Amino acid sequence: GAVVSQHPSWVICKSGTSVKIECRSLDFQATTMFWYRQFPKQSLMLMATSNEGSKATYEQGVEKDKFLINHASLTLSTLTVTSAHPEDSSFYICSARAGSQQFFGPGTRLTVL
Amino acid sequence: ILNVEQSPQSLHVQEGDSTNFTCSFPSSNFYALHWYRWETAKSPEALFVMTLNGDEKKKGRISATLNTKEGYSYLYIKGSQPEDSATYLCAFDQAGTALIFGKGTTLSVSS
Repeated sequence: GAVVSQHPSWVICKSGTSVKIECRSLDFQATTMFWYRQFPKQSLMLMATSNEGSKATYEQGVEKDKFLINHASLTLSTLTVTSAHPEDSSFYICSARAGSQQFFGPGTRLTVL
Repeated sequence: ILNVEQSPQSLHVQEGDSTNFTCSFPSSNFYALHWYRWETAKSPEALFVMTLNGDEKKKGRISATLNTKEGYSYLYIKGSQPEDSATYLCAFDQAGTALIFGKGTTLSVSS
């Protein structure tokens, strides 16, 4: 199947700093990528849909000014958590659709101190 | 709010046992139902994409069935092995876009 990479796999940062997470489709092009978040004992929840060359669309309750998404090429989408706070600590995972399937990166564990 | 439910939440079986999990999803506006196998620190691995009512798919010892009219899918593992230990996720695909996930079933297989 297609491969999606995500970097970094984990990050610890201080409150108030910004963190950038990269999601790359390695062997296919993706005009659309998705960003999900998972809190402990909860399901993966869609945060936003990243569209190449246009603005991302955000799910209700997700602050677009806090979670900046850039999809500048057909193989790369980035999620920047701006002015991170402890409540942003979570597991962030991206995916890209190829045909009828969606392929996921390995995720990023963010811990904000 | 669309809801996807998976049961059981966790399961512990002995090597060689067969087991099955359930995924229930909305029966309206169905596009596809996805099953994933997710091991810690790895990417979720796509197992099946099921689209047709009555569909049955098989991959080695793992198989899945689909009932779109009543909104459920079963995942079966025959002769469980320790390497089958993982979390199994199902996801409802309403319109070919983003997925709505259940919380998963965590399977532990003892040798």
